[in-house]
Amino acid sequence: GAGVSQTPSNKVTEKGKYVELRCDPISGHTALYWYRQSLGQGPEFLIYFQGTGAADDSGLPNDRFFAVRPEGSVSTLKIQRTERGDSAVYLCASSLSRRQGQETQYFGPGTRLLVL
Amino acid sequence: AQTVTQSQPEMSVQEAETVTLSCTYDTSESNYYLFWYKQPPSRQMILVIRQEAYKQQNATENRFSVNFQKAAKSFSLKISDSQLGDTAMYFCAFMKHVSDDKIIFGKGTRLHILP
Repeated sequence: GAGVSQTPSNKVTEKGKYVELRCDPISGHTALYWYRQSLGQGPEFLIYFQGTGAADDSGLPNDRFFAVRPEGSVSTLKIQRTERGDSAVYLCASSLSRRQGQETQYFGPGTRLLVL
Repeated sequence: AQTVTQSQPEMSVQEAETVTLSCTYDTSESNYYLFWYKQPPSRQMILVIRQEAYKQQNATENRFSVNFQKAAKSFSLKISDSQLGDTAMYFCAFMKHVSDDKIIFGKGTRLHILP
């Protein structure tokens, strides 16, 4: 089927505003991950969902960042009171879960967030 | 904590030549996965090759192969007969051998294939 999709592709906002970034995983993938990639760096883990619940949110930088996955499929990453330092590409990935040899994560094209 | 180090920020090679990208990592885990991902300008992160640490045989995928040295904690990627389409950022990455865990990425190597 289709790969991981992310919307919007690009988002420009002003400092202090609220933004939502959406991820639609591959159909049937129960595990979903968010990563953040700053300019010139490798992606850094933010949060991981297994089904509807956040199994590991240790990478969220502070309480301005929050993510949900209410029906175990689409996920939304929410950033409150955006700061210029939040500017980055936000990548989403999904994988099959609990099946040996099926842990490969498939990435979406990312959302480039620019905070002015 | 796990770390992944890529010591070559940028490399260039002529088309059809062979190039090797270096990667070292640090972990106290005995079993884990290692990956090489490719990220072209489109931003799409594409899995190139994967190695399971308990397998001694080096993984190969067509023109791509790895040299996995577990004791040295080294995991290099060799691209044979390089093509213009291989131009991209390449990330070495680590994941613990449990289902559903986060990937730890290196900072990447920017590879240019010259015509």
